[in-house]
Amino acid sequence: EIAMTQSPATLSVSPGERATLSCRASQSLNSHLAWYQQKPGQPPRLLIYGASTRASGVPDRFSGSGSGTDFTLTISSLQSEDFAVYYCQQYDIWPPYSFGQGTKLEI
Amino acid sequence: EVQLVESGGNVVRPGGSLRLSCAASGFTFSDYWMSWVRQAPGKGLEWVANIQQDGSEKYYVDSVKGRFTISRDNAKKSVYLEINSLTDDDTAVYYCARNYGDNVYYYYYMDVWGKGTTVTVSS
Repeated sequence: EIAMTQSPATLSVSPGERATLSCRASQSLNSHLAWYQQKPGQPPRLLIYGASTRASGVPDRFSGSGSGTDFTLTISSLQSEDFAVYYCQQYDIWPPYSFGQGTKLEI
Repeated sequence: EVQLVESGGNVVRPGGSLRLSCAASGFTFSDYWMSWVRQAPGKGLEWVANIQQDGSEKYYVDSVKGRFTISRDNAKKSVYLEINSLTDDDTAVYYCARNYGDNVYYYYYMDVWGKGTTVTVSS
């Protein structure tokens, strides 16, 4: 089973600033990594798949990078609607699919 | 519009059972693997189970094997999760999600999610 570790657990930033979220896998994923955004009371929303491909409708201020075991989600200029919890998820080797524990992006 | 709508969540006693349903619309349901993912209160996401397009392959997280059963009815465009022998640890919002990706090598992420249905285990 692949373990996913996200850091930091909480990231405090200001609107307009850049945010960098990290995700590390316990073994190589190639590029089979997705990022999701979840706001309170809402389901997760797919942001990035294939480590770096934005899902339909996702603003270009969101970008994903990395391969192997280390991945990054960058939000270039934070908007108020970006404050949420972000999860990474591996889909290289399953079952089970595994998620990171989440990074809470707060003001 | 592509949509998934879950139902069936309820308050149940420990040891009880429930059947969750997820109705799909706006896409060709029979073309996709489908998953159930759960989220305990204040916690992260946990994949629970998935099922192949024709229902012939099913997979589960170890913690639910033998207690949960995933199934689907392509004519009704629905996927189900039968949950038995419920414990406090099963208290969660249960999401239905469409699996999307590579049908050759089975590299699937979850591109469409329902709003979830809440299961509360309490005596």
